[in-house]
Amino acid sequence: GAGVSQSPRYKVTKRGQDVALRCDPISGHVSLYWYRQALGQGPEFLTYFNYEAQQDKSGLPNDRFSAERPEGSISTLTIQRTEQRDSAMYRCASSLTGADTGELFFGEGSRLTVL
Amino acid sequence: AQTVTQSQPEMSVQEAETVTLSCTYDTSESDYYLFWYKQPPSRQMILVIRQEAYKQQNATENRFSVNFQKAAKSFSLKISDSQLGDAAMYFCAYRSAYYGGSQGNLIFGKGTKLSVKP
Repeated sequence: GAGVSQSPRYKVTKRGQDVALRCDPISGHVSLYWYRQALGQGPEFLTYFNYEAQQDKSGLPNDRFSAERPEGSISTLTIQRTEQRDSAMYRCASSLTGADTGELFFGEGSRLTVL
Repeated sequence: AQTVTQSQPEMSVQEAETVTLSCTYDTSESDYYLFWYKQPPSRQMILVIRQEAYKQQNATENRFSVNFQKAAKSFSLKISDSQLGDAAMYFCAYRSAYYGGSQGNLIFGKGTKLSVKP
């Protein structure tokens, strides 16, 4: 597609439920990143992929968070047994490679609210 | 580990005037990229300007320019002729140029909220 697409744009869920957030990067982009942004804060790195390989998951806060990109294109970020502290904007970004001229292209984000 | 610091949580500027947003960073790497992203109330992330560390010349994009001081690890953003549409959150970000360095991801500062007064 023309840009990075994320769905759902808004998700309200009850504590304890699992959620899955989807990211469709720009066609041809090798690298895909997940960030979390709390209100009034800068984006915080969660994990990233080159093709289908998860290169770094050091930013995932705990083992309730996982991500996959099985075919090297669309990625899913899954949060199991959600907690209220998981409420945030979850942003996906993509770039041509992990070390190109540098620009990451961001999606519009998925706003998660855990009640 | 690299860090990015924006020491001004909020700034205000009069329409048509100039404002400078500060950013400092810490790294042991010699090659990297620096960015300013703009986040308006819609919460999109919009790239404003980019600087490659190996380039001495400061980047410029229309009314936006940077003052890149590599030795001081400083990367400030100057907005000239400020417009109402410039009101937004501005984030400074660092990215390693080495494949595998910082795993290629962006490291953000906490942001500066810019208000533009008419």
